Amino acid sequence: SQQGEEDPQALSIQEGENATMNCSYKTSINNLQWYRQNSGRGLVHLILIRSNEREKHSGRLRVTLDTSKKSSSLLITASRAADTASYFCATLQTGANNLFFGTGTRLTVIP
Amino acid sequence: DGGITQSPKYLFRKEGQNVTLSCEQNLNHDAMYWYRQDPGQGLRLIYYSQIVNDFQKGDIAEGYSVSREKKESFPLTVTSAQKNPTAFYLCASSEGARGTTEAFFGQGTRLTVV
Repeated sequence: SQQGEEDPQALSIQEGENATMNCSYKTSINNLQWYRQNSGRGLVHLILIRSNEREKHSGRLRVTLDTSKKSSSLLITASRAADTASYFCATLQTGANNLFFGTGTRLTVIP
Repeated sequence: DGGITQSPKYLFRKEGQNVTLSCEQNLNHDAMYWYRQDPGQGLRLIYYSQIVNDFQKGDIAEGYSVSREKKESFPLTVTSAQKNPTAFYLCASSEGARGTTEAFFGQGTRLTVV
């Protein structure tokens, strides 16, 4: 499969805790992107990290990229009930013309 | 408001019918994409277009057709040849070709075969 794979498939935490989701992929990439999807809605872009970058921050989000392990992680700090959603990683593989999406992590934040 | 609009939100199709899903964007993006999402699954690429009057098949193009006559519009037709069309369909656009920049998504069309 050319898709990334997120781990875990589902995650349930208490409000205020941190949530960590992982993404692994199989081939070399130009960039990796994280998206969020609320139930029954479209995807919203969260953050893009290029292959020559190792870490990026955006508000409560921190993304790391380890190209040697072909993996990325998304950390959401101080989670809120409104963070409840599915989170997808997407990779632009070298030589490809479009993004390949993983199957997502379903995050539930309990108030 | 700039954005990407899909219509209708819900669509019901009878067996053997063709249906067309609309996707319009006013972001002046060159690239547009159609994805299919099945319950609990990731997104699978149906078709994409990097420029007007040009489009390419994605991973699951069989039973689908598209056109790109205008920069703003990328309609998807689900034909009767698509044997299992019930799914959530998402349209997206991006400024940069080849996924080099973020993609903007519409709110989706849920297609059900009745």
